[in-house]
Amino acid sequence: GGIITQTPKFLIGQEGQKLTLKCQQNFNHDTMYWYRQDSGKGLRLIYYSITENDLQKGDLSEGYDASREKKSSFSLTVTSAQKNEMAVFLCASLDWGKDTQYFGPGTRLLVL
Amino acid sequence: GDSVTQTEGPVTVSESESLIINCTYSATSIAYPNLFWYVRYPGEGLQLLLKVITAGQKGSSRGFEATYNKETTSFHLQKASVQESDSAVYYCALGPGATGGNNKLTFGQGTVLSVIP
Repeated sequence: GGIITQTPKFLIGQEGQKLTLKCQQNFNHDTMYWYRQDSGKGLRLIYYSITENDLQKGDLSEGYDASREKKSSFSLTVTSAQKNEMAVFLCASLDWGKDTQYFGPGTRLLVL
Repeated sequence: GDSVTQTEGPVTVSESESLIINCTYSATSIAYPNLFWYVRYPGEGLQLLLKVITAGQKGSSRGFEATYNKETTSFHLQKASVQESDSAVYYCALGPGATGGNNKLTFGQGTVLSVIP
């Protein structure tokens, strides 16, 4: 088996600040995803990466940048944090053979 | 675009009662979507509960079942007798499958289930 780790677990930022969230997976999966989850809403796709060095925008990419540094890691940057923003960011990687996404535990963001 | 709508929560049921969480979908960009149920138990990460890739087929896991109904565009989650350990948040999702190029998933809003002992 494998695991997805996300750091930090909790992130508190200030309005206007640039914030970076990190994700690591040891499944050796090619494709990785970043989702945002707001309270009472489903997951919304921010960015995804089919393979190393690839980046694709999702439905919610405005206000974010992403970086796929290597196959095992995928970072997400909030370019300018919005005041009172509160959400959980979930990273996932895809097992193509099983057509199944595996998720990390999430990073909880709070902007003061 | 594609969308998924599921039972508005929270849903509260007593242990050993039956459960149904409704899920309907609209797949405007995918001819033959794959359908999924994901679950997040308290303190744990989101994980796959079951999936069905063929219309008319039924998937099952941990006593839960869901049938892919293309006519009614539904994928309702059912369990005959729930347990307290089933308390979790359940998400219905659809995706294009391996032929879709990116396997992007579209999720419903989630349904919080509380099972009372």
